[in-house]
Amino acid sequence: QVTLKESGPGILQPSQTLSLTCSFSGFSLSTSGICVSWIRQPSGKGLEWLTTICWEDSKGYNPSLKNRLTISKDTSNNQAFLKITSVDTADTAIYYCVRRDYNWFAYWGQGTLVTVSS
Amino acid sequence: DIVLTQSPALPVSLEQRATISCKTSQNVDNYGISYMHWYQQKPGQQPKLLIYGGSDLASGIPARFSGSGSGTDFTLTIDPVEADDIATYYCQQSKDYPTFGGGTKLELK
Repeated sequence: QVTLKESGPGILQPSQTLSLTCSFSGFSLSTSGICVSWIRQPSGKGLEWLTTICWEDSKGYNPSLKNRLTISKDTSNNQAFLKITSVDTADTAIYYCVRRDYNWFAYWGQGTLVTVSS
Repeated sequence: DIVLTQSPALPVSLEQRATISCKTSQNVDNYGISYMHWYQQKPGQQPKLLIYGGSDLASGIPARFSGSGSGTDFTLTIDPVEADDIATYYCQQSKDYPTFGGGTKLELK
């Protein structure tokens, strides 16, 4: 059974760095073909892909946010991480950790709400 | 980037057919492979994969859901619509870096 769960600070102030953790089970990020992505959704709005990391450590970033994003993984502990620097109110959203199968997002975590507020 | 356009809302009646459209700014097929996928999201829940590769049904998804289309025009069909299908539906392309449509909210007439 594939499960993913996101964790993060809940609330942070503008200009700070957001750090999120995705803890997953039912698969390994060392298995060929496996990738984990981060996708976010502001309240009442649509979905925005942020970044993906794959089993061989390849990474992809949304061009509009690339300079602020860093994705990494800890294969031994079945975790993936996302850092976003210099956050502002526009980064307030639910952040989802998602397993990508081939080219689609097959398994989604329940999401974690991040609020940026002074 | 590839822009995906969906109508914001679609009023439907139960037991009728619903057709949700997604138009892309560029072709999202390549050598017979479709890079179009569909998701369902209910309020307060995470999205769920319905259709991948344009027309393949994800595991556990009822056969009343189907996907079709090619090039720049794609359709998600629900036939017949059941009460549990009232949700927002998103299309997503993976031909280029992933982008999503704005979502179509299925509403009861």
